[in-house]
Amino acid sequence: AQSVTQLDSHVSVSEGTPVLLRCNYSSSYSPSLFWYVQHPNKGLQLLLKYTSAATLVKGINGFEAEFKKSETSFHLTKPSAHMSDAAEYFCVVSGGPGGFKTIFGAGTRLFVKA
Amino acid sequence: KAGVTQTPRYLIKTRGQQVTLSCSPISGHRSVSWYQQTPGQGLQFLFEYFSETQRNKGNFPGRFSGRQFSNSRSEMNVSTLELGDSALYLCASSEGQASTDTQYFGPGTRLTVL
Repeated sequence: AQSVTQLDSHVSVSEGTPVLLRCNYSSSYSPSLFWYVQHPNKGLQLLLKYTSAATLVKGINGFEAEFKKSETSFHLTKPSAHMSDAAEYFCVVSGGPGGFKTIFGAGTRLFVKA
Repeated sequence: KAGVTQTPRYLIKTRGQQVTLSCSPISGHRSVSWYQQTPGQGLQFLFEYFSETQRNKGNFPGRFSGRQFSNSRSEMNVSTLELGDSALYLCASSEGQASTDTQYFGPGTRLTVL
């Protein structure tokens, strides 16, 4: 069975400060992990994905995430927040026999203050 | 390449009616997945099709069904609509059926059931 938990429903940061969005997962298989972003009234866009290669994954717009198997975590970070980063972020796990059944986390809404 | 397209973008139906939503994947993509997004339940997996075969199904009642055509285009149908079916329905396509494949999302169809 697979599950994914995003530990914060809302995160608020000031522009120029670091961003940390937390995600824990559970999977009976070697998971593929993704972070997607959804801006208001726009579709979901892939930020980055982990597929059992390097544990530190770099994505678009300066985001990166580190896969930590011992902690079953896949936290998303960015050194310096920009106003345009305000959006909802989803951590996603997929994998398993018979193809991928994708599980989305509940989402974390990121607010960026000027 | 053109992205994933979904039609219609908006729909208003009344309880008891049925509805069909359409999804055209990115050219060359053979896998299509459907998701329901609501404020209360978040993003939930409906089903996944690959080469016209349903490979995975989420925990939704039988009123929700889908199919995929030989050109990879997909439709989903909801019969006997209920108020709770009001949601954003998202379609995603990917090249293959591996859990590592990136899913590309369409803009969604906003269904309102009155």
